[in-house]
Amino acid sequence: SQQGEEDPQALSIQEGENATMNCSYKTSINNLQWYRQNSGRGLVHLILIRSNEREKHSGRLRVTLDTSKKSSSLLITASRAADTASYFCATINTNAGKSTFGDGTTLTVKP
Amino acid sequence: ETGVTQSPTHLIKTRGQQVTLRCSSQSGHNTVSWYQQALGQGPQFIFQYYREEENGRGNFPPRFSGLQFPNYSSELNVNALELDDSALYLCASSFADHTDTQYFGPGTRLTVL
Repeated sequence: SQQGEEDPQALSIQEGENATMNCSYKTSINNLQWYRQNSGRGLVHLILIRSNEREKHSGRLRVTLDTSKKSSSLLITASRAADTASYFCATINTNAGKSTFGDGTTLTVKP
Repeated sequence: ETGVTQSPTHLIKTRGQQVTLRCSSQSGHNTVSWYQQALGQGPQFIFQYYREEENGRGNFPPRFSGLQFPNYSSELNVNALELDDSALYLCASSFADHTDTQYFGPGTRLTVL
């Protein structure tokens, strides 16, 4: 099973609304990263949060990390139609030497 | 644009054949990771190369193998192709290991008939 699992699987909102996506994982991590993917193309890195951080901001993005609950959330504020994409979290465990992605949340922002 | 390039863009093979996919990492990066992404799923980690040595491997059989060259470009080789190998293959480069941000290429779409 996937280490990182995003929730919800799909999200549809109106432009201007906020979008929140969640990620849960099972084992210990060194850091967690969020990525965006447009329709079967390469992934674009959005934000990295380390295991000793609780919150990080980048423009309209806000990421939180709760290591006690093994969960993270990505908030996109004031969404735009161009934010329509799939969003993935990736958990990084350097001891295991691997990165693990969930199956993503597909976000649709209607103009 | 991340500066990571992959070739070819698309590829069609038949079962049993062998395929080689190529990746050029971003300038200054010494680590390359390969991922397989089936339709509707997230990327699955295949393996990572750091300074020409394999540095971590996911749950893929030995017929998935790789190389990293002195210029840090990389190849993914898949032998005895199976229908389930049809997927988007992504490479990502980074300056260090998984603790660093990974920059992804556009991917190679492999179809196995």
